[in-house]
Amino acid sequence: EVQLVESGGGLVQPGGSLRLSCAASGFTFSSYWMHWVRQAPGKGLVWVSNINRDGSTTNYADSVKGRFTISRDNAKNTLYLQMNSLGAEDTAVYYCARPRGDGSGSWDVWGQGTTVTVSS
Amino acid sequence: DIVMTQSPDSLAVSLGERATINCKSSQSILYTSNNKNYLAWYQHKPGQPPKLLIYWASTRESGVPDRFSGSGSGTDFTLTISSLQAEDVAVYYCQHYYSTPYTFGQGTKLEIK
Repeated sequence: EVQLVESGGGLVQPGGSLRLSCAASGFTFSSYWMHWVRQAPGKGLVWVSNINRDGSTTNYADSVKGRFTISRDNAKNTLYLQMNSLGAEDTAVYYCARPRGDGSGSWDVWGQGTTVTVSS
Repeated sequence: DIVMTQSPDSLAVSLGERATINCKSSQSILYTSNNKNYLAWYQHKPGQPPKLLIYWASTRESGVPDRFSGSGSGTDFTLTISSLQAEDVAVYYCQHYYSTPYTFGQGTKLEIK
């Protein structure tokens, strides 16, 4: 079964750091770009970051650039998101997502999400 | 950045009736070299991850009921649910993947009238 499972969310104080993980199974992880998407409470979906197959190319939303770092370990079939200098605006459910394999940037496989709460 | 704007923000439709959601991009998301529109539609229910419905603007994802269809090209797109079922109550999002940052519309909340 194709599956993505996020972990690492939790409560963190403003200015703190957190590292999210996304464990992939059921497909050849190293063959896919991977993405992080988030949804703040009561708000819409927002793309956060993506990374290419070997980890050499990354992209970020302006709102997280310089604070978040996406990475991957293809040997462990795991995607990461290192989040630093967290603020209340980063409170959200964070999803990892896999795009379809046909060059489409649409995402057909999603994790269940992990919740990050930034509060003192 | 490409801005995606959906209309309406919310919609109430009777069971069995047609629901139509519109999405407009601030610039064309038609890639002329392959004649594909880089647009997807997602269904999002509370407590669940988003579900891909449509990609390339009009291609239905495997397993998605055929009452869901997508149309449009360039900057104007539509998601149509031909006969609304109770399980279709959700928030629907359009999303472009033409270039980063990939952006979503603000969402359309679909309810039963």
